[in-house]
Amino acid sequence: NAGVMQNPRHLVRRRGQEARLRCSPMKGHSHVYWYRQLPEEGLKFMVYLQKENIIDESGMPKERFSAEFPKEGPSILRIQQVVRGDSAAYFCASSPVSGGASEQFFGPGTRLTVL
Amino acid sequence: KNQVEQSPQSLIILEGKNCTLQCNYTVSPFSNLRWYKQDTGRGPVSLTIMTFSENTKSNGRYTATLDADTKQSSLHITASQLSDSASYICVVITSGYALNFGKGTSLLVTP
Repeated sequence: NAGVMQNPRHLVRRRGQEARLRCSPMKGHSHVYWYRQLPEEGLKFMVYLQKENIIDESGMPKERFSAEFPKEGPSILRIQQVVRGDSAAYFCASSPVSGGASEQFFGPGTRLTVL
Repeated sequence: KNQVEQSPQSLIILEGKNCTLQCNYTVSPFSNLRWYKQDTGRGPVSLTIMTFSENTKSNGRYTATLDADTKQSSLHITASQLSDSASYICVVITSGYALNFGKGTSLLVTP
């Protein structure tokens, strides 16, 4: 059973371009979470999705950021018109169910660098 | 505001030695506490999970303790190995899926 897959692992964008980050959850997991880790900071929650639904996007900036988890295919975190402050590591996690007792399994992350 | 504070920020120890990492939290309500290991360039991997009623939990050379009254947890690493070099993150779960991450303790084990 493959773990959580993220691609690309590294992404370089110039200011103003779009960044698209992909996450394939573990097999059998229908809950996906996105986190952002700024340099020297802890991971911060961005958004929680279930298949085709956004459950909680309270941690996601209201401008330029969007996320989806379609019925088929990976979850996508999209950042439009990137700025230097978007440079960070973006981690995706998945779980089979939701709730405090359900462990979230993390992917290797996508490291976004905005030039 | 929920907070998870870890100390020390970084630590260097000799291979074979023991060490203890600390975590204090003010998160409420409390569901469970987890310690994760994050190798450089990788995602966090869970080491231990403890609920409110558990005082200690071991996973090989890793032993976590929890004092829910004082809201403190520690992670003790025994007989350290070079492969233990990583960031160790304390995560407190309030309810549901809400994970509150500390900034981590960066551990370097040297030969």
